[in-house]
Amino acid sequence: KNEVEQSPQNLTAQEGEFITINCSYSVGISALHWLQQHPGGGIVSLFMLSSGKKKHGRLIATINIQEKHSSLHITASHPRDSAVYICAATAINYGGSQGNLIFGKGTKLSVKP
Amino acid sequence: EAQVTQNPRYLITVTGKKLTVTCSQNMNHEYMSWYRQDPGLGLRQIYYSMNVEVTDKGDVPEGYKVSRKEKRNFPLILESPSPNQTSLYFCASSQYPTRVYTEAFFGQGTRLTVV
Repeated sequence: KNEVEQSPQNLTAQEGEFITINCSYSVGISALHWLQQHPGGGIVSLFMLSSGKKKHGRLIATINIQEKHSSLHITASHPRDSAVYICAATAINYGGSQGNLIFGKGTKLSVKP
Repeated sequence: EAQVTQNPRYLITVTGKKLTVTCSQNMNHEYMSWYRQDPGLGLRQIYYSMNVEVTDKGDVPEGYKVSRKEKRNFPLILESPSPNQTSLYFCASSQYPTRVYTEAFFGQGTRLTVV
């Protein structure tokens, strides 16, 4: 079992739809990251959060520490949002080292015009 | 501009020919790491470094070496590449103040093919 699980694995949406990607984790964490990987391959950090909710433009990330669950929401989705979204946890004392990122397998989002 | 720079972006090489992928960051970050990304397996950590001269193995270190002689640079060395090291590689860095990690910055990736 992976320590960080994402769902769904693939997601196709129509432009304008509200999108939710889920992430569950089973390890102790100090932070949860949402990353975006575009078809060109580069990875950018969207959010890092350890509690509550963060918002940036049309993107919203939430985390529930008690339930060990985080969600990434995209409002009014657009074809340019098409990318792979990756959830990653900054683990506490994972593999003997603090700070290592544990990654989910990613969610491939395709937004159709 | 804050960034992590990897070179080269693309590399095709032959089995056994030593190669180095460079990684440099301009944010004075203590923590740097290398990942490989493979279809169906996601990102897996190869090596990481907490600071200069401090490196340690990640989940998949076999066949790789690293060094951290300066804070800004963290090269990945493949002494004798093999086809199973064909992958997309990412370098990343983050700040490490008093054991609280901050946002991770990723390089643009290096697509390596070993034939």
